[in-house]
Amino acid sequence: AQSVTQPDIHITVSEGASLELRCNYSYGATPYLFWYVQSPGQGLQLLLKYFSGDTLVQGIKGFEAEFKRSQSSFNLRKPSVHWSDAAEYFCAVGTTSGTYKYIFGTGTRLKVLA
Amino acid sequence: ETGVTQSPTHLIKTRGQQVTLRCSSQSGHNTVSWYQQALGQGPQFIFQYYREEENGRGNFPPRFSGLQFPNYSSELNVNALELDDSALYLCASSGVATNTEAFFGQGTRLTVV
Repeated sequence: AQSVTQPDIHITVSEGASLELRCNYSYGATPYLFWYVQSPGQGLQLLLKYFSGDTLVQGIKGFEAEFKRSQSSFNLRKPSVHWSDAAEYFCAVGTTSGTYKYIFGTGTRLKVLA
Repeated sequence: ETGVTQSPTHLIKTRGQQVTLRCSSQSGHNTVSWYQQALGQGPQFIFQYYREEENGRGNFPPRFSGLQFPNYSSELNVNALELDDSALYLCASSGVATNTEAFFGQGTRLTVV
């Protein structure tokens, strides 16, 4: 079955510390992969995407993610977190067969300590 | 900010009522997808419309229905509302090709009482 797992429901980091949010997926074909961020009461903003090619992708706001096919992972990283990064982060797979749709993980809520 | 707009932003309905949510897609996008995001969950795919036809559906009952208009805007209709329908409903517009990202609106927060 197609699925996306974000094993960390909540993560708390200090401002200036590094961040890694984990994402594992289960999908039969080569997936398209995305990270979105959602502030309270808001819609989803795309941070970065992976379709093919270089497995390390750069996104907005200083985020990057690395696609590791052997581990079925697409972890999100940021070297130095800012207080404004506090939000909920969703990893998603874009299905490449049948209807093109997104399968989302359950999200990781990031809290940033001053 | 994306060019996808949704209305209304919030509404409250009573169990058993019907509701219509609206979405204007981003310019140049001909595909609209709807997602339901329950509290504390990731968005779940409801259905997708392409060229005014339903182009795929998730695991939602028939009382969830939709429309797409010639200008690619879309409506989501939910009949016989249940308490569990309380959620944030997100509209996403995209191009027809698969290697494109979807742009999401701000959502409509539906509360069923």
